[in-house]
Amino acid sequence: GENVEQHPSTLSVQEGDSAVIKCTYSDSASNYFPWYKQELGKGPQLIIDIRSNVGEKKDQRIAVTLNKTAKHFSLHITETQPEDSAVYFCAGGGTSYGKLTFGQGTILTVHP
Amino acid sequence: SAVISQKPSRDICQRGTSLTIQCQVDSQVTMMFWYRQQPGQSLTLIATANQGSEATYESGFVIDKFPISRPNLTFSTLTVSNMSPEDSSIYLCSTRDGYTFGSGTRLTVV
Repeated sequence: GENVEQHPSTLSVQEGDSAVIKCTYSDSASNYFPWYKQELGKGPQLIIDIRSNVGEKKDQRIAVTLNKTAKHFSLHITETQPEDSAVYFCAGGGTSYGKLTFGQGTILTVHP
Repeated sequence: SAVISQKPSRDICQRGTSLTIQCQVDSQVTMMFWYRQQPGQSLTLIATANQGSEATYESGFVIDKFPISRPNLTFSTLTVSNMSPEDSSIYLCSTRDGYTFGSGTRLTVV
Protein backbone atom coordinates (compact mmCIF):
# COMPACT_ATOMS: atom_id res chain seq x y z
CA GLY A 1 0.00 0.00 0.00
CA GLU A 2 0.87 3.67 -0.05
CA ASN A 3 3.34 5.13 2.46
CA VAL A 4 3.63 8.90 2.93
CA GLU A 5 6.50 10.50 4.83
CA GLN A 6 6.31 14.14 5.94
CA HIS A 7 9.05 16.51 7.12
CA PRO A 8 9.70 18.43 9.24
CA SER A 9 7.59 17.43 12.23
CA THR A 10 7.80 20.97 13.63
CA LEU A 11 8.52 24.26 11.90
CA SER A 12 8.91 27.65 13.50
CA VAL A 13 9.09 30.84 11.41
CA GLN A 14 8.82 34.57 11.86
CA GLU A 15 5.80 36.38 10.53
CA GLY A 16 6.38 37.31 6.89
CA ASP A 17 8.82 34.47 6.23
CA SER A 18 8.10 31.52 3.96
CA ALA A 19 7.40 27.99 5.17
CA VAL A 20 8.01 24.79 3.23
CA ILE A 21 6.78 21.32 4.17
CA LYS A 22 7.84 18.27 2.17
CA CYS A 23 6.31 14.86 1.63
CA THR A 24 7.38 11.73 -0.21
CA TYR A 25 5.16 8.88 -1.33
CA SER A 26 5.81 5.31 -2.36
CA ASP A 27 3.00 4.24 -4.70
CA SER A 28 3.56 5.44 -8.26
CA ALA A 29 -0.15 4.80 -8.96
CA SER A 30 -1.21 7.57 -6.55
CA ASN A 31 -2.63 10.49 -8.48
CA TYR A 32 -4.08 12.88 -5.92
CA PHE A 33 -2.18 14.84 -3.28
CA PRO A 34 -4.14 17.12 -0.93
CA TRP A 35 -2.90 19.27 1.92
CA TYR A 36 -4.91 19.86 5.08
CA LYS A 37 -4.72 22.41 7.86
CA GLN A 38 -5.98 21.34 11.26
CA GLU A 39 -6.55 23.82 14.03
CA LEU A 40 -7.00 22.78 17.63
CA GLY A 41 -10.34 21.09 18.23
CA LYS A 42 -11.33 21.09 14.57
CA GLY A 43 -11.42 18.64 11.70
CA PRO A 44 -8.85 18.84 8.88
CA GLN A 45 -9.56 21.59 6.37
CA LEU A 46 -8.55 21.04 2.75
CA ILE A 47 -6.40 24.02 1.74
CA ILE A 48 -4.96 22.97 -1.61
CA ASP A 49 -4.56 19.86 -3.71
CA ILE A 50 -2.77 18.72 -6.82
CA ARG A 51 -3.27 15.90 -9.29
CA SER A 52 -0.53 13.92 -10.94
CA ASN A 53 -0.96 15.56 -14.34
CA VAL A 54 0.04 18.97 -12.91
CA GLY A 55 3.44 20.09 -11.62
CA GLU A 56 2.45 23.15 -9.63
CA LYS A 57 -0.66 24.84 -8.32
CA LYS A 58 -1.07 28.17 -6.56
CA ASP A 59 -3.79 29.76 -4.49
CA GLN A 60 -2.86 33.19 -3.19
CA ARG A 61 -0.12 32.64 -0.56
CA ILE A 62 -0.19 28.86 -0.84
CA ALA A 63 1.40 26.72 -3.52
CA VAL A 64 2.01 23.02 -3.99
CA THR A 65 4.62 21.43 -6.26
CA LEU A 66 4.74 17.82 -7.39
CA ASN A 67 7.67 15.83 -8.75
CA LYS A 68 6.28 12.54 -10.01
CA THR A 69 9.67 11.14 -10.97
CA ALA A 70 11.07 11.62 -7.49
CA LYS A 71 7.70 10.91 -5.85
CA HIS A 72 7.68 13.97 -3.67
CA PHE A 73 5.47 17.01 -3.26
CA SER A 74 5.77 20.17 -1.19
CA LEU A 75 3.62 22.86 0.36
CA HIS A 76 4.87 26.43 0.19
CA ILE A 77 3.34 29.20 2.29
CA THR A 78 4.61 32.71 1.61
CA GLU A 79 4.25 35.81 3.76
CA THR A 80 3.24 33.72 6.75
CA GLN A 81 0.85 35.14 9.32
CA PRO A 82 0.19 34.09 12.94
CA GLU A 83 -3.16 32.65 11.86
CA ASP A 84 -1.26 30.17 9.66
CA SER A 85 -0.15 28.45 12.88
CA ALA A 86 -1.69 24.97 12.89
CA VAL A 87 -0.91 21.34 12.12
CA TYR A 88 -0.53 20.61 8.41
CA PHE A 89 -1.00 17.16 6.90
CA CYS A 90 -0.12 15.95 3.44
CA ALA A 91 -1.83 12.93 1.93
CA GLY A 92 -1.50 10.75 -1.13
CA GLY A 93 -3.76 8.32 -2.93
CA GLY A 94 -6.94 8.83 -4.87
CA THR A 95 -6.59 5.81 -7.12
CA SER A 96 -9.68 3.86 -8.11
CA TYR A 97 -10.14 2.88 -4.48
CA GLY A 98 -10.25 6.54 -3.52
CA LYS A 99 -8.61 6.26 -0.12
CA LEU A 100 -5.87 8.56 1.15
CA THR A 101 -2.78 7.84 3.22
CA PHE A 102 -1.70 10.69 5.48
CA GLY A 103 1.72 11.96 6.46
CA GLN A 104 2.66 12.34 10.10
CA GLY A 105 1.87 16.04 10.27
CA THR A 106 3.87 19.27 10.73
CA ILE A 107 3.25 21.67 13.58
CA LEU A 108 3.75 25.14 12.09
CA THR A 109 4.24 28.05 14.47
CA VAL A 110 4.37 31.58 13.09
CA HIS A 111 5.79 34.08 15.58
CA PRO A 112 4.55 37.69 15.40
CA SER B 1 -17.26 19.55 -2.58
CA ALA B 2 -19.55 17.76 -0.19
CA VAL B 3 -20.40 19.36 3.14
CA ILE B 4 -20.29 16.88 6.00
CA SER B 5 -22.07 17.06 9.35
CA GLN B 6 -21.01 14.76 12.12
CA LYS B 7 -22.71 13.95 15.43
CA PRO B 8 -21.97 13.94 18.29
CA SER B 9 -19.14 16.45 18.33
CA ARG B 10 -17.79 14.98 21.55
CA ASP B 11 -18.68 12.42 24.16
CA ILE B 12 -17.34 10.89 27.35
CA CYS B 13 -18.20 7.21 27.67
CA GLN B 14 -17.74 4.46 30.20
CA ARG B 15 -15.50 1.55 29.28
CA GLY B 16 -17.36 -1.47 27.98
CA THR B 17 -20.10 0.60 26.35
CA SER B 18 -20.63 1.46 22.67
CA LEU B 19 -21.03 4.75 20.84
CA THR B 20 -22.53 5.32 17.41
CA ILE B 21 -21.26 8.26 15.38
CA GLN B 22 -23.36 9.68 12.56
CA CYS B 23 -22.12 11.28 9.35
CA GLN B 24 -24.52 13.17 7.08
CA VAL B 25 -23.49 14.50 3.66
CA ASP B 26 -25.31 17.22 1.78
CA SER B 27 -25.11 15.38 -1.54
CA GLN B 28 -25.06 11.81 -2.77
CA VAL B 29 -21.59 10.30 -2.66
CA THR B 30 -20.38 6.85 -3.64
CA MET B 31 -17.57 6.38 -1.15
CA MET B 32 -17.38 7.44 2.48
CA PHE B 33 -14.32 6.96 4.63
CA TRP B 34 -13.96 6.66 8.39
CA TYR B 35 -10.69 7.74 10.02
CA ARG B 36 -9.30 7.66 13.53
CA GLN B 37 -6.94 10.31 14.89
CA GLN B 38 -5.33 9.31 18.17
CA PRO B 39 -4.11 12.14 20.44
CA GLY B 40 -1.30 14.06 18.80
CA GLN B 41 -1.18 11.68 15.85
CA SER B 42 -2.04 11.62 12.17
CA LEU B 43 -5.16 10.22 10.57
CA THR B 44 -5.50 6.47 10.07
CA LEU B 45 -8.12 5.00 7.78
CA ILE B 46 -10.48 2.59 9.55
CA ALA B 47 -12.69 1.55 6.65
CA THR B 48 -14.32 2.50 3.39
CA ALA B 49 -18.12 2.43 3.30
CA ASN B 50 -19.98 1.94 0.03
CA GLN B 51 -23.75 1.97 -0.19
CA GLY B 52 -25.24 -1.45 -0.71
CA SER B 53 -22.19 -3.45 0.27
CA GLU B 54 -20.23 -4.30 3.38
CA ALA B 55 -17.54 -1.88 4.46
CA THR B 56 -13.93 -2.65 3.60
CA TYR B 57 -11.70 -2.55 6.68
CA GLU B 58 -8.04 -1.65 6.82
CA SER B 59 -5.46 -3.84 8.49
CA GLY B 60 -5.81 -3.69 12.25
CA PHE B 61 -9.51 -2.79 12.24
CA VAL B 62 -12.32 -5.36 12.43
CA ILE B 63 -16.05 -5.24 11.90
CA ASP B 64 -16.89 -6.54 15.38
CA LYS B 65 -15.12 -3.57 16.95
CA PHE B 66 -16.10 -0.91 14.40
CA PRO B 67 -19.37 -1.89 12.70
CA ILE B 68 -20.37 0.50 9.94
CA SER B 69 -23.70 1.11 8.27
CA ARG B 70 -24.29 2.85 4.95
CA PRO B 71 -28.07 2.79 4.39
CA ASN B 72 -28.05 5.38 1.59
CA LEU B 73 -25.79 7.66 -0.44
CA THR B 74 -25.88 10.56 2.05
CA PHE B 75 -25.51 8.87 5.43
CA SER B 76 -23.24 6.52 7.34
CA THR B 77 -22.66 5.48 10.93
CA LEU B 78 -19.61 4.13 12.73
CA THR B 79 -20.03 2.32 16.04
CA VAL B 80 -17.14 1.98 18.46
CA SER B 81 -17.98 -1.16 20.42
CA ASN B 82 -16.93 -2.41 23.85
CA MET B 83 -14.85 0.68 24.38
CA SER B 84 -11.61 0.90 26.34
CA PRO B 85 -9.49 3.97 27.17
CA GLU B 86 -7.32 3.13 24.13
CA ASP B 87 -10.27 4.04 21.92
CA SER B 88 -10.08 7.66 23.06
CA SER B 89 -9.54 9.48 19.78
CA ILE B 90 -11.09 11.81 17.25
CA TYR B 91 -13.19 9.94 14.72
CA LEU B 92 -13.70 11.58 11.35
CA CYS B 93 -15.65 10.86 8.23
CA SER B 94 -14.79 11.96 4.72
CA THR B 95 -15.97 11.40 1.19
CA ARG B 96 -14.39 10.95 -2.18
CA ASP B 97 -16.34 13.99 -3.38
CA GLY B 98 -13.82 16.69 -2.65
CA TYR B 99 -12.10 14.76 0.13
CA THR B 100 -13.47 17.13 2.74
CA PHE B 101 -13.91 16.13 6.36
CA GLY B 102 -16.53 16.50 8.98
CA SER B 103 -15.61 18.36 12.17
CA GLY B 104 -15.01 15.07 13.94
CA THR B 105 -16.20 13.31 17.07
CA ARG B 106 -13.90 13.65 20.06
CA LEU B 107 -14.34 10.51 22.14
CA THR B 108 -13.00 10.05 25.64
CA VAL B 109 -13.37 6.66 27.32
CA VAL B 110 -13.09 6.56 31.09
